[in-house]
Order: sequence, then structure tokens, then C-alpha cells
Amino acid sequence: NAGVTQTPKFQVLKTGQSMTLQCAQDMNHNSMYWYRQDPGMGLRLIYYSASEGTTDKGEVPNGYNVSRLNKREFSLRLESAAPSQTSVYFCASRGTGVPYEQYFGPGTRLTVT
Amino acid sequence: GQQLNQSPQSMFIQEGEDVSMNCTSSSIFNTWLWYKQDPGEGPVLLIALYKAGELTSNGRLTAQFGITRKDSFLNISASIPSDVGIYFCAGLRGAQKLVFGQGTRLTINP
Repeated sequence: NAGVTQTPKFQVLKTGQSMTLQCAQDMNHNSMYWYRQDPGMGLRLIYYSASEGTTDKGEVPNGYNVSRLNKREFSLRLESAAPSQTSVYFCASRGTGVPYEQYFGPGTRLTVT
Repeated sequence: GQQLNQSPQSMFIQEGEDVSMNCTSSSIFNTWLWYKQDPGEGPVLLIALYKAGELTSNGRLTAQFGITRKDSFLNISASIPSDVGIYFCAGLRGAQKLVFGQGTRLTINP
């Protein structure tokens, strides 16, 4: 039982390049989330998927797209990377009901030069 | 976008001391959560609070859901070296959206 896994762990991109961050969970959770974490800013929600087949914008969706490939997998795509997207990206998942707990992956550290 | 105001931003304490931190918001939340993040890892849930006035403990940690529903507090008693890390508060907006504070970085001198 690996929980939430993310690939890659580190990535360096040049401005304008594209890439997809992968996330998978093995807890049979319905909801999945993508956050970015910047120094002194806490975590900010980019997109989320409340259930398979649905996606919704979070607080900072501009410059990103997502795909809920199946119940296990939720990917985040940067079509044309910008230096402002340099950040640590976390994927999370959650089951239903109480307690309300989002389980986080280990993160992807992305640098855009 | 809105974030919660968390204070203090950093704390430097001696091992064995008690720690207090808090989180405030201009809007009401129905659920408050406290997370801890270790270096290079994702946040891990410490305590979840669901009712105004609720006081919940998890070992040496105690958290309270403010009566106005606009604030929450976390206390750590008798700190130990493994308490080092960044502590985040979060409020749940609707059914899905967590809003996080900026974090409190805790450093402990042995």
C-alpha cells in the first residue's frame, strides 16, 4: 500500500517547454487534488477532481490543465512553462465522510529557467 | 486568493517548552485542520476539528476550533526534537476546497 505517489520527484524545464506531472493513489479514494507550495505562501489549490470523470478549478488554475485518467490517476499538465510556475507541486487524495483527511504525496520540485 | 493568517511565522524554542500557534480568517469555516510537514515530504494531518468550540487532543497536541468559527489554535506541550517542522492550519471551504495558512516553522534547541 504505497498511498499517494508522484513522478517525477525533480524536474528542470526551460521557459516554453511542456510537461505532465503524474499522480496515483491506491486507497480507492474518490477525490484527488493538485496543490502548489511556494515559500511563505502555504499550499494553494490548483485543480481538483471530486470523482472520476469530473474536474474543477481551484484557487490558481491559470497555466495548468488536468486529466482524471481513472479513479487512481490524476495528472497535471503545464503546456508552456513559465518561471512563475517554479514551485513544489503536491498531489493529494481523499475518501468520503469523516474524518476529513487529505493524504498527500511526497511532492515534485519543479524549476523553470 | 485568500489565505489564512497564521502566526507566528517561526518559533525558536528550547526542548521541553510548550508551543502555541494560531490561525485567523475573515470568513467562517465549518472545519479546521492542522497539518505538519517534514522537510522533503507532504503534509500529514495532525488534528481535525468539526464544531465551534471543540477542543481535541492527539497526544501532546491540543487544538481548538474558535467559537466565532473564524479562528483556530494549536498547542504542543513539552516539545521534543521530532516536533521540528512546519505546521499549517487549513480551513475547509465547501466540500472540497482547503485554504491553507502560511505555516509556522518550529525550531527546537536541544
